[in-house]
Amino acid sequence: AAGVIQSPRHLIKEKRETATLKCYPIPRHDTVYWYQQGPGQDPQFLISFYEKMQSDKGSIPDRFSAQQFSDYHSELNMSSLELGDSALYFCASSLGGGYTPIGNQPQHFGDGTRLSIL
Amino acid sequence: GESVGLHLPTLSVQEGDNSIINCAYSNSASDYFIWYKQESGKGPQFIIDIRSNMDKRQGQRVTVLLNKTVKHLSLQIAATQPGDSAVYFCAETVFGNEKLTFGTGTRLTIIP
Repeated sequence: AAGVIQSPRHLIKEKRETATLKCYPIPRHDTVYWYQQGPGQDPQFLISFYEKMQSDKGSIPDRFSAQQFSDYHSELNMSSLELGDSALYFCASSLGGGYTPIGNQPQHFGDGTRLSIL
Repeated sequence: GESVGLHLPTLSVQEGDNSIINCAYSNSASDYFIWYKQESGKGPQFIIDIRSNMDKRQGQRVTVLLNKTVKHLSLQIAATQPGDSAVYFCAETVFGNEKLTFGTGTRLTIIP
């Protein structure tokens, strides 16, 4: 079965540079979520989109922005990168904003983008 | 803020034995729970979920138990195999609140 596709898998940037991470959800999924996972930590929610509209926001820095496009893929834009931004960034997708008439829909994750800031 | 945590950060189990991974959650409003498995270099992989109107759910070799009274969740893996070695996370969410709150993972190591 098709899964969530993230690109690039690895990205190396320097401080104050910008980065764009891409996420292609599972076909028919209309909701995407972004999470950040530091070394040895659990994933932390950043932001989510349902039907191309921002639906929830977590601990996402103002330097970061994201959007969901008409084909439901999403991009996370990161500017003025800092050393502390080095982490794994995961995208997840689900159907119906996580809840449909038949009940909760689990989030399925991609394999992430490893961002390293030098 | 609300958080989900795990009792044990590491667990070593003999191959073929059963594994039990525990999770305590603090948000009494949480009504949907998911267990994820994360292998090195990969994203969290969905294992099994449970809604708050249930107290037990079974999958292939896995069982999730939910005790809402004490806000406790557990994942039981039957006849553990080397491929079960990974970090396991529980996650919670509240209906209408899409974000998942993850607990601290438990690293499961299978001893041959």
